[in-house]
Amino acid sequence: DADVTQTPRNRITKTGKRIMLECSQTKGHDRMYWYRQDPGLGLRLIYYSFDVKDINKGEISDGYSVSRQAQAKFSLSLESAIPNQTALYFCATSDPERSYNEQFFGPGTRLTVL
Amino acid sequence: AQSVTQLDSHVSVSEGTPVLLRCNYSSSYSPSLFWYVQHPNKGLQLLLKYTSAATLVKGINGFEAEFKKSETSFHLTKPSAHMSDAAEYFCVVTGRTSGTYKYIFGTGTRLKVLA
Repeated sequence: DADVTQTPRNRITKTGKRIMLECSQTKGHDRMYWYRQDPGLGLRLIYYSFDVKDINKGEISDGYSVSRQAQAKFSLSLESAIPNQTALYFCATSDPERSYNEQFFGPGTRLTVL
Repeated sequence: AQSVTQLDSHVSVSEGTPVLLRCNYSSSYSPSLFWYVQHPNKGLQLLLKYTSAATLVKGINGFEAEFKKSETSFHLTKPSAHMSDAAEYFCVVTGRTSGTYKYIFGTGTRLKVLA
């Protein structure tokens, strides 16, 4: 089984709808991240969490919110989706004490907002 | 502040010829550097990482990269390209901001391999 899973893998929605993307991990890592990928821009950090009680904004958090329900679960919400949030979204985990800050990525969720 | 620049957005090579994907970084301390590959419609796979041990790092699928502090570079190379190497490649530097470490991604290089 994959160590970092994301659901759904693909989602098409309409402008104004509320959307939740979910991430689960079995690696036992405390740190979790949400990124979005847009062509020609690489991956940009939306939010990150260093433990269940810690939530931090990344460089592009406007229009997004997150919830860290447990060590293993980190959800990303779009309260009112807009077309420019159409992107590929990745969840990642890390444990800097063991992995030289290496991050481990999920398979991605492709979101289309019409 | 930390930053990373991938010097080519697209690279085309013929099958069997060498691959060079260029990455320059800026960091105010000793960084960790990574190369990831993303095949079409797939997630990110770690190719290799530099973590202040050997400056020449070998990765999977025949790729390697050399950390050159004097040139602030971490270029990715492969002696002989294979069709399956066609993908997008991302150079990543870890950045320390406000006491925490974060990944800083380059904008990616799309590698095309010609038959």
